[in-house]
Amino acid sequence: QLQLQESGPGLVKPSETLSLTCTVSGGSITSGSYYWGWIRQPPGKGLEWIGSIFYSGNTYYNPSLKSRVTMSVDTSKNQFSLKLTSVTAADTAMYYCARPKSGAYSKFDPWGQGTLVTVSA
Amino acid sequence: QSILTQPPSVSGAPGQRVTISCIGSSSNIGAGYDVHWYQQRPGTAPKLLIYGNSNRPSGVPDRFSGSKSGTSASLAITGLQVEDEADYYCQSYDSSLTSLFGGGTKLTVL
Repeated sequence: QLQLQESGPGLVKPSETLSLTCTVSGGSITSGSYYWGWIRQPPGKGLEWIGSIFYSGNTYYNPSLKSRVTMSVDTSKNQFSLKLTSVTAADTAMYYCARPKSGAYSKFDPWGQGTLVTVSA
Repeated sequence: QSILTQPPSVSGAPGQRVTISCIGSSSNIGAGYDVHWYQQRPGTAPKLLIYGNSNRPSGVPDRFSGSKSGTSASLAITGLQVEDEADYYCQSYDSSLTSLFGGGTKLTVL
């Protein structure tokens, strides 16, 4: 059974770069036509798609975040990563990694448990 | 900016039927793109509830059903149970090259 687990610093200073990693277990990150994605949820608010990446490296980003987002895949570690630059308090959120099941923008299943990132000095 | 609009809250008594709407536009739901629904219980990650407008993943009770018409979609829950109390989100693709989520609806079981 495929499982995803987020990891990374829980506290990031304003103007710095947020870096998170998602480790995939129970299956290979390269098997099938698999995309991988990131979604975030500010405290008490709704979900926002950040972007998706194909295992070969093709990326698809939310236009509203595109200038600050970089996603990558490390097939040797069965991991994919998110970098978000120039963070502000508005980037404080629970960050989830998930698998878009039928293309970069499709339904997400499964999800990781999420990791809370707070942007504060 | 393209958005999917959901009612902030709905409520119902155990055993009743409730519906949650998701209103989009001609650039997303109205363009024929699929709608998916998620259930998020407090303190947990979202869980896929309905995909492709009306399909249930294995393990989701048939009390949950989805439909789509024109520029909107709906999630219906029949035989409401206490454990259905959660936040529900719709999701669809938008032709502005983004995946959209609705603002979420909090379901309270009275």
